[in-house]
Amino acid sequence: GDSVTQMEGPVTLSEEAFLTINCTYTATGYPSLFWYVQYPGEGLQLLLKATKADDKGSNKGFEATYRKETTSFHLEKGSVQVSDSAVYFCAITGGGNKLTFGTGTQLKVEL
Amino acid sequence: DTGVSQDPRHKITKRGQNVTFRCDPISEHNRLYWYRQTLGQGPEFLTYFQNEAQLEKSRLLSDRFSAERPKGSFSTLEIQRTEQGDSAMYLCASSFGSGQPQHFGDGTRLSIL
Repeated sequence: GDSVTQMEGPVTLSEEAFLTINCTYTATGYPSLFWYVQYPGEGLQLLLKATKADDKGSNKGFEATYRKETTSFHLEKGSVQVSDSAVYFCAITGGGNKLTFGTGTQLKVEL
Repeated sequence: DTGVSQDPRHKITKRGQNVTFRCDPISEHNRLYWYRQTLGQGPEFLTYFQNEAQLEKSRLLSDRFSAERPKGSFSTLEIQRTEQGDSAMYLCASSFGSGQPQHFGDGTRLSIL
């Protein structure tokens, strides 16, 4: 079945540091790829998506590129802020339309 | 767009009791999904509907669990004879068609005493 592996947290960064959260997947066919974010006390929010190879999803300064050859969808941001502190989930949809999530990576950004 | 709404936000019950959760999707969305999330884990798929038809159920959905979407709008998830292991956050999501992003509600947190 489909699976998603993402780097374990917590990841602790200073404000304005560069962020990378690694995500790799296994799936049959050509899945769509997503990053969701969960801020403290809130529900899951869609951060960005990519639906085909080499697509780049971007939102709020975050980016991720669909790399079919390495089955990866790493999340990056050039300069993080304290307000980016949250749990980030990588997810894919295979042929069945259901989302398969990674275990989540907690990001803590300090002043 | 009022978002996906779930009720209640938190449910505390004794082991062995039945509980029912409600989800109201975004109005124009024809697909509705249920997930379960335990502490420190990502959400796990339980089941989904297209309109009123339940199209897929996970093996996680034991016979104590039942979900309905009678008119293709809101959905209910019932757990009978609750067990300690049912304690989790139950998430509902909706989307407009296949392959479209799923939008999540804030979830119902179930605590079994």
